[in-house]
Amino acid sequence: EDKVVQSPLSLVVHEGDTVTLNCSYEVTNFRSLLWYKQEKKAPTFLFMLTSSGIEKKSGRLSSILDKKELFSILNITATQTGDSAVYLCAVERAGANNLFFGTGTRLTVIP
Amino acid sequence: NAGVTQTPKFQVLKTGQSMTLQCAQDMNHNSMYWYRQDPGMGLRLIYYSASEGTTDKGEVPNGYNVSRLNKREFSLRLESAAPSQTSVYFCASIPGLARNEQFFGPGTRLTVL
Repeated sequence: EDKVVQSPLSLVVHEGDTVTLNCSYEVTNFRSLLWYKQEKKAPTFLFMLTSSGIEKKSGRLSSILDKKELFSILNITATQTGDSAVYLCAVERAGANNLFFGTGTRLTVIP
Repeated sequence: NAGVTQTPKFQVLKTGQSMTLQCAQDMNHNSMYWYRQDPGMGLRLIYYSASEGTTDKGEVPNGYNVSRLNKREFSLRLESAAPSQTSVYFCASIPGLARNEQFFGPGTRLTVL
């Protein structure tokens, strides 16, 4: 059975801290892994990862994929209160038209 | 360019009532999706449409029907609403052509009493 597991389920940090969010997966015919940020409404796209070991970076956020160990991490440095959100990991399977989502990690950044 | 739009934003139904959730995208995307999001369950795929004229079941299709009216619009219908269908519903679309990040609409919060 395909599954995507995110950890931790929730996390509370202080502004300025660095956080690492985890996503492990077991899916057939893996094609790519995607990270989304969900604040109050719709998820917004952050990264798509297809190759192992190549870091994707956008400002204070970065992510990397390990296809051998079947996981990805999302790092956020110098966290700000605006980073508070649910972070979703999703996996795309080759030949399939849909994404398979994890349950998310709820990050709360307190001033 | 409005992206993905959904109507209504909120809806309250009584058990047994029917309704249609509307979704439209103006990005010329081929594939469109309907998800539901429940606490602790993540996003679960209800139905999707890979292209105009085709629809397929996702993970949790029971109790729902869909119509891909044209390339822009993909509607989700609840024929006889049940309390178990209380959820937040998201519509999404993808550009295709090797770009598969999904663009999501703002969601519809549905409560079935």
